[in-house]
Amino acid sequence: SAVISQKPSRDICQRGTSLTIQCQVDSQVTMMFWYRQQPGQSLTLIATANQGSEATYESGFVIDKFPISRPNLTFSTLTVSNMSPEDSSIYLCSVEEDEGVYGYTFGSGTRLTVV
Amino acid sequence: QKEVEQNSGPLSVPEGAIASLNCTYSDRVSQSFFWYRQYSGKSPELIMSIYSNGDKEDGRFTAQLNKASQYVSLLIRDSQPSDSATYLCAVATGTYKYIFGTGTRLKVLA
Repeated sequence: SAVISQKPSRDICQRGTSLTIQCQVDSQVTMMFWYRQQPGQSLTLIATANQGSEATYESGFVIDKFPISRPNLTFSTLTVSNMSPEDSSIYLCSVEEDEGVYGYTFGSGTRLTVV
Repeated sequence: QKEVEQNSGPLSVPEGAIASLNCTYSDRVSQSFFWYRQYSGKSPELIMSIYSNGDKEDGRFTAQLNKASQYVSLLIRDSQPSDSATYLCAVATGTYKYIFGTGTRLKVLA
């Protein structure tokens, strides 16, 4: 399965600032996915990132708040902008193995605390 | 609203026992089902996938699917303390679209 490196692994940020999370995959993938896991909550899909096109955002998530870049087939970034304490969460990037046959593989995650 | 429901637990079982984890889903057209294990502070790890009604075995793990009743379960035989984790059920509801349950926390008591 794909190996996904994600950084930073954790960060504590001041409200009103922005944080960019990087995700590197060891193989070329068509689509990359960004998830959020809030404390005690399920995983929620933020957006899907295709190389060479605009990311597709899920209901409740907007590009101004969570801009995404996808410059090539192995790399993506998610920025959490103008942060508030409500953005404190674990952010995960993932790829789908074999077009969904084997489900998602997740990166190691970024634990974000906004103070 | 498509939903995936799991009992949050904790489910406590003694070492060596069978742990039974259950999940129900609301979308009748769902075709793919997954179980993930998530250790505290770690990211989810895929442990089982199932697509057809019936049982699928992989080592100590057995996934069971009943599409008519809209439930999927995970059995862990000979449970070990290292199995203590949160188990997430995920249902594919369309291309690249997965709905995750909130997870069941399993505690295996030595």
